[in-house]
Amino acid sequence: AQKITQTQPGMFVQEKEAVTLDCTYDTSDQSYGLFWYKQPSSGEMIFLIYQGSYDEQNATEGRYSLNFQKARKSANLVISASQLGDSAMYFCAMRDSNFNKFYFGSGTKLNVKP
Amino acid sequence: EPEVTQTPSHQVTQMGQEVILRCVPISNHLYFYWYRQILGQKVEFLVSFYNNEISEKSEIFDDQFSVERPDGSNFTLKIRSTKLEDSAMYFCASSEYLSGGASKADTQYFGPGTRLTVL
Repeated sequence: AQKITQTQPGMFVQEKEAVTLDCTYDTSDQSYGLFWYKQPSSGEMIFLIYQGSYDEQNATEGRYSLNFQKARKSANLVISASQLGDSAMYFCAMRDSNFNKFYFGSGTKLNVKP
Repeated sequence: EPEVTQTPSHQVTQMGQEVILRCVPISNHLYFYWYRQILGQKVEFLVSFYNNEISEKSEIFDDQFSVERPDGSNFTLKIRSTKLEDSAMYFCASSEYLSGGASKADTQYFGPGTRLTVL
């Protein structure tokens, strides 16, 4: 079974608008971490934001926020005020207590239009 | 800001040859990882490493692969006899800590990757 599912292979957003990238996860653990990474066309993986399963508040880092709905097992990334430089691939990842590794989703390619 | 570095950025090799990919993790990090990403596909876990031992490996990480921490700073991935299907971007990552499952210190910081092309 897929541990991380990203159902949007591609998204378009107008510059300065907000966009939500979807991520659902599957774990039976109570303790786990959720992470988002940005991969621009240059290829590097840039850490954006972290949400712990016990965190009661949604995580925020600048223009990035994580809409964490534990009961629905979703951890959607919200980018506010999109910029052209936000055009990239975005990956959702999870680590649960069972294994010392990250499970990655298949990614969402975001294109920001001027 | 400390970062993970990888060398070389691009490696071209002939099928059957051995390659060694090198990484320097962030200096106070204790946990090290290799992932690979075939072009246009998802990031796949290969191996995790702690205290000079493999702590976990995937089914991809067969006998052709090995990892080593030869000194206090480098972390290497060796592919003994490369195949065409080993062509991919290889990422090294490191994390400070390993919690029971939910800590920001689990965050894995990735290097820029080595693009391996097997001809």
